[in-house]
Amino acid sequence: AQSVTQPDIHITVSEGASLELRCNYSYGATPYLFWYVQSPGQGLQLLLKYFSGDTLVQGIKGFEAEFKRSQSSFNLRKPSVHWSDAAEYFCAVYNTDKLIFGTGTRLQVFP
Amino acid sequence: DAGVIQSPRHEVTEMGQEVTLRCKPISGHDYLFWYRQTMMRGLELLIYFNNNVPIDDSGMPEDRFSAKMPNASFSTLKIQPSEPRDSAVYFCASSPPPGKGNTIYFGEGSWLTVV
Repeated sequence: AQSVTQPDIHITVSEGASLELRCNYSYGATPYLFWYVQSPGQGLQLLLKYFSGDTLVQGIKGFEAEFKRSQSSFNLRKPSVHWSDAAEYFCAVYNTDKLIFGTGTRLQVFP
Repeated sequence: DAGVIQSPRHEVTEMGQEVTLRCKPISGHDYLFWYRQTMMRGLELLIYFNNNVPIDDSGMPEDRFSAKMPNASFSTLKIQPSEPRDSAVYFCASSPPPGKGNTIYFGEGSWLTVV
């Protein structure tokens, strides 16, 4: 069965530092992959998605992610984190009409 | 576009009471999903509909949970009777046919507390 793993439950970074959130997927063919962000008390907002083509995907709020088939990964990156990026981030894979989510990574940003 | 609209946003109810959560999907979206989010289990898919027909309800935890979609613009998730372990955030989401790069859009969630 398709699944995603987010190995980091909690990450803390300083404002202005770079960020990489890890996501590994399990799927035989080319997966459709997504990153969502959830701010406290809010719903899920799509940051970016990959389904074909260029393996480096640009998203909103300055985020990008790179699909690496050899590593079964779809890591989310941002070169300089802002305090407003503090939130929970979810990686997801499309599986037969529905999204399967990872367990999430909570990002804390220190000034 | 108003997005996916859920109501109520917050509900506190007593154990044993019936709870009804409501969802209005984005107009034109054929698919509607109900997810539940808890600290212990993360985001779980409960049930989803295609063109108002339930396709997969294998995630519905037990018979106390039921979901309906009487028309393309409205769905309900009902819990009867409610229990404290049902306390969670319930998300409704909708999309065009998933896959092929289409996005699944989420509502703001219904925050349920059962005391």
